[in-house]
Amino acid sequence: NAGVTQTPKFRILKIGQSMTLQCTQDMNHNYMYWYRQDPGMGLKLIYYSVGAGITDKGEVPNGYNVSRSTTEDFPLRLELAAPSQTSVYFCASSYPGASGELFFGEGSRLTVL
Amino acid sequence: QKEVEQNSGPLSVPEGAIASLNCTYSDRGSQSFFWYRQYSGKSPELIMSIYSNGDKEDGRFTAQLNKASQYVSLLIRDSQPSDSATYLCAVNGGNQFYFGTGTSLTVIP
Repeated sequence: NAGVTQTPKFRILKIGQSMTLQCTQDMNHNYMYWYRQDPGMGLKLIYYSVGAGITDKGEVPNGYNVSRSTTEDFPLRLELAAPSQTSVYFCASSYPGASGELFFGEGSRLTVL
Repeated sequence: QKEVEQNSGPLSVPEGAIASLNCTYSDRGSQSFFWYRQYSGKSPELIMSIYSNGDKEDGRFTAQLNKASQYVSLLIRDSQPSDSATYLCAVNGGNQFYFGTGTSLTVIP
């Protein structure tokens, strides 16, 4: 009963490095999301996808890229990491429609030094 | 920019009391409203959803929705120390969910 799985759970990057946060869900959800959460703050949407091959920007997309080649996977790419990208990243998925609740992964804590 | 606002707290209540958490939202077209609980260092988990005006009860939790006032609230009765967490209000606006900054609740034994 995996649900939404994120890897890695922790990562330290140097400024300018790149990396990919992986997200996989086994619930056959069409909708997937990437959020970041800074200390004492709510969740800010980075990118979302309503199905394979379809992605769209959220509130804070700068410095990130995504792809959605399958229903299950929604990786988030950080290019040229900056200290401002130090945060906790959550991947989530949901059924389509207004009543769909979000199911979250356990989060990935990223530090950029 | 669709906004969801919550009092950040912290809110402290004694064990056994009622905790009241409030949320307002800006988009009148929003249809679905959610309360998530987030323990420190953990991911958010859904505790209540509400879609129509009025009250919805689930155990010790009651969600209240007033679309005319664009207001959602969560009442926690008989508060327990295990309820100590941050509570996030979320609003579904089309394909996106918008979150408030959360209210930190501490239940004092």
